[in-house]
Amino acid sequence: KQEVTQIPAALSVPEGENLVLNCSFTDSAIYNLQWFRQDPGKGLTSLLLIQSSQREQTSGRLNASLDKSSGRSTLYIAASQPGDSATYLCAVPWAGSYQLTFGKGTKLSVIP
Amino acid sequence: ETGVTQTPRHLVMGMTNKKSLKCEQHLGHNAMYWYKQSAKKPLELMFVYNFKEQTENNSVPSRFSPECPNSSHLFLHLHTLQPEDSALYLCASSQGIGQGHQPQHFGDGTRLSIL
Repeated sequence: KQEVTQIPAALSVPEGENLVLNCSFTDSAIYNLQWFRQDPGKGLTSLLLIQSSQREQTSGRLNASLDKSSGRSTLYIAASQPGDSATYLCAVPWAGSYQLTFGKGTKLSVIP
Repeated sequence: ETGVTQTPRHLVMGMTNKKSLKCEQHLGHNAMYWYKQSAKKPLELMFVYNFKEQTENNSVPSRFSPECPNSSHLFLHLHTLQPEDSALYLCASSQGIGQGHQPQHFGDGTRLSIL
């Protein structure tokens, strides 16, 4: 059974800082890994999807890396802004399945 | 415009009530999903439909009854719910259910409170 862990559970940083969110998974036989953002009271917005054959993906100030062999992914946010405040979730499919297993998320607060 | 619309956004109901949650997607996707998000727990997949056919039921109690009349609409009928069913219910869709058919696109959810 796939298990996904996100550390830290909460993070508070001053505006302008670069930061890293961590995601680890127990079964490395994944097809891809997806990072989502969730604002309070809202649904999930897909940020980045990394295929298992890729090492990283970039979108604007966001960079996600994937190390399948060690079961880890990181989401790097450059020059953080108050608008980045949200909960960030990572998700991977179960091995041999399309179903997603989610972590509990990291709640990010960027202080002006 | 998220592409996936859920109604109502908030719902308060008693344990003996019957209500339904609605989800509609405008993305031309063929797969639709119901998830439950409880406080301090990861998202839990409840049901999956592909081309209107149910492909997954993750041991969900029968007081939750899904319905998928077509690839664009998904309902979750609720009956005799328990207080522990209070949660955010999220609908999602994707092109298909194969692993190459991610990402899933989510609606904003229905916040359900059981009195």
